[in-house]
Amino acid sequence: NAGVTQTPKFQVLKTGQSMTLQCAQDMNHNSMYWYRQDPGMGLRLIYYSASEGTTDKGEVPNGYNVSRLNKREFSLRLESAAPSQTSVYFCASSEGQGFSVGNQPQHFGDGTRLSIL
Amino acid sequence: DAKTTQPTSMDCAEGRAANLPCNHSTISGNEYVYWYRQIHSQGPQYIIHGLKNNETNEMASLIITEDRKSSTLILPHATLRDTAVYYCIVTYSSASKIIFGSGTRLSIRP
Repeated sequence: NAGVTQTPKFQVLKTGQSMTLQCAQDMNHNSMYWYRQDPGMGLRLIYYSASEGTTDKGEVPNGYNVSRLNKREFSLRLESAAPSQTSVYFCASSEGQGFSVGNQPQHFGDGTRLSIL
Repeated sequence: DAKTTQPTSMDCAEGRAANLPCNHSTISGNEYVYWYRQIHSQGPQYIIHGLKNNETNEMASLIITEDRKSSTLILPHATLRDTAVYYCIVTYSSASKIIFGSGTRLSIRP
C-alpha cells in the first residue's frame, strides 16, 4: 500500500548544481502537488498539476520547474540550486480533477530533505 | 480562499478530549473546512472535512457553528501519538489547490 512515494529521501547539493525530485502515486489520482516546508513554518505550494498534461504555479514557483510525466508521476527540478532552496519538499496527490478538487483530501509522501551548501 | 485563524499552540492531558478551534469569519457559502495534521518530520495527514453539518470519522469530530464562521476539531481521547501541528484550511470546492497556514502545535502531556 505505497500511496505517494518520493525519491530521494535525503540529498545534499552544492550551490549551482541541478537536481530532479521524483514523485509517484499509485492511487490513480488526477491531481498532484509539490510543497516546500521551511523550519518552523507551514507548507507553501510550489507547483501543482490539476490533471495529466497540465501544470500551474503555486505560491513560490521561482527557481523550480515541474513535469507531469504521466498520470502517476510528477517531478520537480531545481536547475541551479541556491541555499535559499534548502527545505523539506513534499509531494501530494488527490482524486479530484481540474476545478473540482477543493473537496478532495490530499495524500502526502514522506518528504525529501534537501540541503544546499 | 477564506483566511483562517488558529492559536499558535495548545496542550491537553492524555486521555482527555482535545478541542482545537479555528476562526474563518470570511468563509463563503460553498467553501469547505478541512483539517490536516503533521506529526514531526512526516507528511501531512488528512483528518476530516465538512461544509455545513457536523462530521465524525474514526479519527475525530468536526463541529461547525451555524453561521459557519468558526469550527472546532475534537480528538475525543487524546494520546501521545496525537502530538502534532494541526492545520485548519478553508477552500472552495472549485479550487484547484489548497493553501496551508501556520497551524496549531498540539502537545499531549502524560
